[in-house]
Amino acid sequence: AQTVTQSQPEMSVQEAETVTLSCTYDTSENNYYLFWYKQPPSRQMILVIRQEAYKQQNATENRFSVNFQKAAKSFSLKISDSQLGDTAMYFCAFAEYGQGNLIFGKGTKLSVKP
Amino acid sequence: DVKVTQSSRYLVKRTGEKVFLECVQDMDHENMFWYRQDPGLGLRLIYFSYDVKMKEKGDIPEGYSVSREKKERFSLILESASTNQTSMYLCASSLLVSEQFFGPGTRLTVL
Repeated sequence: AQTVTQSQPEMSVQEAETVTLSCTYDTSENNYYLFWYKQPPSRQMILVIRQEAYKQQNATENRFSVNFQKAAKSFSLKISDSQLGDTAMYFCAFAEYGQGNLIFGKGTKLSVKP
Repeated sequence: DVKVTQSSRYLVKRTGEKVFLECVQDMDHENMFWYRQDPGLGLRLIYFSYDVKMKEKGDIPEGYSVSREKKERFSLILESASTNQTSMYLCASSLLVSEQFFGPGTRLTVL
């Protein structure tokens, strides 16, 4: 069975600095999807970034980028120029190709300090 | 924009009550999901559905049932609520294998 591990329950970063959130996963599949979701305090969960396993190029969305290491089964999220609005729970998630349901990690609580 | 709505943001029920949590999406998505979210445990899948009148058990279906009579609506039912079902419940929908869109959540307290 696939598993997703986020080894950092909590992290903090100063405003304008860069922070990296870690995620590892375990699967025997070759084709799959990986996601980072953000859940701000008392607000809705939203997708931050998505990566298809067959793509070698790392996904980027503005200040958010990933470091996808397929052989190592690692999928870290880098947030550059951190902003106060980045304070949230961040969840890493895995989806097997052709399957609709996601497997989530336990989350990392990120606090951005002024 | 996709909108996923849930019938209540906060709900307080008594042990033994039958509880209905409603979820509606407005983008004609095939897939709908119910999760519960607990601190330190992340999101755990309760049930999901790939089509009308179709349902599949997730990782923690015990004590729950679901109903999907219309494509846009997916209901989670607690037949006899217990205190260990106090949690945040999140509904989501998606098109095939793609990003899931989440509702705002229902924080259920069972006394």
